[in-house]
Amino acid sequence: EDKVVQSPLSLVVHEGDTVTLNCSYEVTNFRSLLWYKQEKKAPTFLFMLTSSGIEKKSGRLSSILDKKELFSILNITATQTGDSAIYLCAVESGSRLTFGEGTQLTVNP
Amino acid sequence: EAGVVQSPRYKIIEKKQPVAFWCNPISGHNTLYWYRQNLGQGPELLIRYENEEAVDDSQLPKDRFSAERLKGVDSTLKIQPAELGDSAVYLCASSLSVNQPQHFGDGTRLSIL
Repeated sequence: EDKVVQSPLSLVVHEGDTVTLNCSYEVTNFRSLLWYKQEKKAPTFLFMLTSSGIEKKSGRLSSILDKKELFSILNITATQTGDSAIYLCAVESGSRLTFGEGTQLTVNP
Repeated sequence: EAGVVQSPRYKIIEKKQPVAFWCNPISGHNTLYWYRQNLGQGPELLIRYENEEAVDDSQLPKDRFSAERLKGVDSTLKIQPAELGDSAVYLCASSLSVNQPQHFGDGTRLSIL
């Protein structure tokens, strides 16, 4: 059975801090790893990673994949209160997406 | 570009009643997904459509759940009869094709009394 584990499950930081969110996985037939941000509503797509060692970056967010060690990290620098959300990691195996439980990030002013 | 549209946003029903959710995917997206998300957990796939064909429904509880995607565009998900354990957020997502990033709707929050 495919498994995706995220850590930590929750994190509270102050504005300006840098955070690192972790995602490890055990799946058969790995195709890609995706990160989503979920506030009150729909998960919104952040990154799709397919190759090891290539960093994807969007503003203050960046992510990298290690296919040998089977994990990915999502970094957020200079956090803002608007970054408060649940960050979901999902791994595509075959044609199915398996999600982790998410990391609840709270950024306090 | 309009996103994935779901309705209703919220639904409260008594157990044993039927309920239906509706999803309109992003225009041009051939692949449509229904997920269930319980509190504190990630979404879990219920069914995936390629156009109008259900190609992965192995995790759909077929005794009470059904879905359709007529004409390969809009989709409905139905539960009949609903049970207390069905309380969750039901998310619809679509993608251009399988293995492309999925884009989610805001979901329908279902509460069973």
